[in-house]
Amino acid sequence: DAKTTQPNSMESNEEEPVHLPCNHSTISGTDYIHWYRQLPSQGPEYVIHGLTSNVNNRMASLAIAEDRKSSTLILHRATLRDAAVYYCILRLPWAGNNRKLIWGLGTSLAVNP
Amino acid sequence: EAQVTQNPRYLITVTGKKLTVTCSQNMNHEYMSWYRQDPGLGLRQIYYSMNVEVTDKGDVPEGYKVSRKEKRNFPLILESPSPNQTSLYFCASSPGYNQPQHFGDGTRLSIL
Repeated sequence: DAKTTQPNSMESNEEEPVHLPCNHSTISGTDYIHWYRQLPSQGPEYVIHGLTSNVNNRMASLAIAEDRKSSTLILHRATLRDAAVYYCILRLPWAGNNRKLIWGLGTSLAVNP
Repeated sequence: EAQVTQNPRYLITVTGKKLTVTCSQNMNHEYMSWYRQDPGLGLRQIYYSMNVEVTDKGDVPEGYKVSRKEKRNFPLILESPSPNQTSLYFCASSPGYNQPQHFGDGTRLSIL
């Protein structure tokens, strides 16, 4: 099973950058790194994903270590709406791979005004 | 608006009374999936479907059934619900297996 490790909780101030770490030391060469977030009382929401290179989109940036054993989700300017649980998961690019899809408990991010 | 719609949002029922949670998406996505979320356990996949008439077990399929007769719909069936199936359920869809998933707002089931 491809497990990720994230801090249980983090805190940030509004309008400051936030770096959310994720360790995935058992990542395979074909695993994609996906990030989702879950706001209170809502379903998870896709944030970003990548394989090897750093990725940027309108929501965030994903920095992937050269050895791929860790990654960091970067929120460039936190807002109160970014307070959520952030999940880092590994996903093989094909189904039927007989590997558990492990979401874990994620990182609960609090944003202070 | 692109969305995944689940019904009902809340349901309290009794052990053994068959129930169906519906899931519908309007994005023409091929891949659909059901998850349950429990405190301390996170999200766990129940079943998924790669396309019409193609379904497969996820990590916790026991006690559940699914069907995919049309591309847009992926109902979750509990033939004989038990209290250990009390949980928060999410349906999700995506264009393909490894692509970003869109989630519904969840269905909270309580089985007494």
